[in-house]
Amino acid sequence: SAVISQKPSRDICQRGTSLTIQCQVDSQVTMMFWYRQQPGQSLTLIATANQGSEATYESGFVIDKFPISRPNLTFSTLTVSNMSPEDSSIYLCSVVGATPVYGYTFGSGTRLTVV
Amino acid sequence: ELKVEQNPLFLSMQEGKNYTIYCNYSTTSDRLYWYRQDPGKSLESLFVLLSNGAVKQEGRLMASLDTKARLSTLHITAAVHDLSATYFCAVDNSNSGYALNFGKGTSLLVTP
Repeated sequence: SAVISQKPSRDICQRGTSLTIQCQVDSQVTMMFWYRQQPGQSLTLIATANQGSEATYESGFVIDKFPISRPNLTFSTLTVSNMSPEDSSIYLCSVVGATPVYGYTFGSGTRLTVV
Repeated sequence: ELKVEQNPLFLSMQEGKNYTIYCNYSTTSDRLYWYRQDPGKSLESLFVLLSNGAVKQEGRLMASLDTKARLSTLHITAAVHDLSATYFCAVDNSNSGYALNFGKGTSLLVTP
């Protein structure tokens, strides 16, 4: 299965600033996803990162707040913009193998605290 | 809207006991995934269940899938403290490019 390097692992940010999270995969993958996990909660899909086109966002998430880049099949970034304390969460990227039958791999996560 | 429901959400059990976590989902997907998450950590894949009747076992954990009932179970046998973690089931959603939809998770605490 793919190996994902996610950076940074954690950060403490001032409100109103932005943070960019990076995910690097050791192999080419078609599907890459970004999730948010609020404290004590389950994972919620933010968007699907598409190579060569705009990301597809889930209801409640917008591009201006969470811009995503996917310049190639091994790399993606998620930016959390104009942060507020409500954005304090763990953010995770995930990829799937050639097909879903190979399972999904998750990055190590970015623990974001906004003060 | 695809829904994935787990129960119980919290489970405290003694070492050596058996218990089952249930996962119901609302779609017709044939694929279901179980993950484990330790505090402050990412998700670790436990089982990938790909068809009706699939059963997989790893150590003290056994997972099964009944696609007709839209139900998966995660059975814990003779629990040990090291199994304390949060367990999530998830279903892939073709309407979201096959992203996973997660249940709320079951927080398991195994006590002596």
